[in-house]
Amino acid sequence: GESVGLHLPTLSVQEGDNSIINCAYSNSASDYFIWYKQESGKGPQFIIDIRSNMDKRQGQRVTVLLNKTVKHLSLQIAATQPGDSAVYFCAENIHPGGTSYGKLTFGQGTILTVHP
Amino acid sequence: GAGVSQSPSNKVTEKGKDVELRCDPISGHTALYWYRQSLGQGLEFLIYFQGNSAPDKSGLPSDRFSAERTGGSVSTLTIQRTQQEDSAVYLCASSSRGWETQYFGPGTRLLVL
Repeated sequence: GESVGLHLPTLSVQEGDNSIINCAYSNSASDYFIWYKQESGKGPQFIIDIRSNMDKRQGQRVTVLLNKTVKHLSLQIAATQPGDSAVYFCAENIHPGGTSYGKLTFGQGTILTVHP
Repeated sequence: GAGVSQSPSNKVTEKGKDVELRCDPISGHTALYWYRQSLGQGLEFLIYFQGNSAPDKSGLPSDRFSAERTGGSVSTLTIQRTQQEDSAVYLCASSSRGWETQYFGPGTRLLVL
């Protein structure tokens, strides 16, 4: 079946650097994308989302970019901090059969490690 | 306000036993989801509830898995005759409507011996 995948399973950066986490999706019908952060022993925490009618959305220290042409999603974290160390998942929201709701399909995740 | 809560946080059971996992969604959220996360993996959709509509059970892996949502709020995921491959973290999420952002609980870590 169609799925969301990540290019890099691990990413190691120095504190203060900018981080970029990438994600490829395969379902062109997906219209809503979300990035989640998951720390050890906790549930996924919402970071930022973007709808398919947008190319870019910014939050606090985070930016999500969506390239629908190549079905690519990225999460940029500015001035990465040790507290940003976690697993990051992208997810796409697909509306099955034209329904009004969506089921999230998650990628495998990228482990981000920030070194002080 | 309070987020999504789940209980128990950890559950160890023997193969063949039944288990019940509970989820309390954010107050006022009409949509509730269950996901399963195996070690080092992404999340796998299990089931979705929206208001009084029939649930979407398309992600349940076998007929040993079932879920209920009483009164449009609390949900229980039941796994009958547990198998070792059922060992995973079971996550619950809720959203204000079915197409809005999903907020996750801390999960229940299930270990089947």
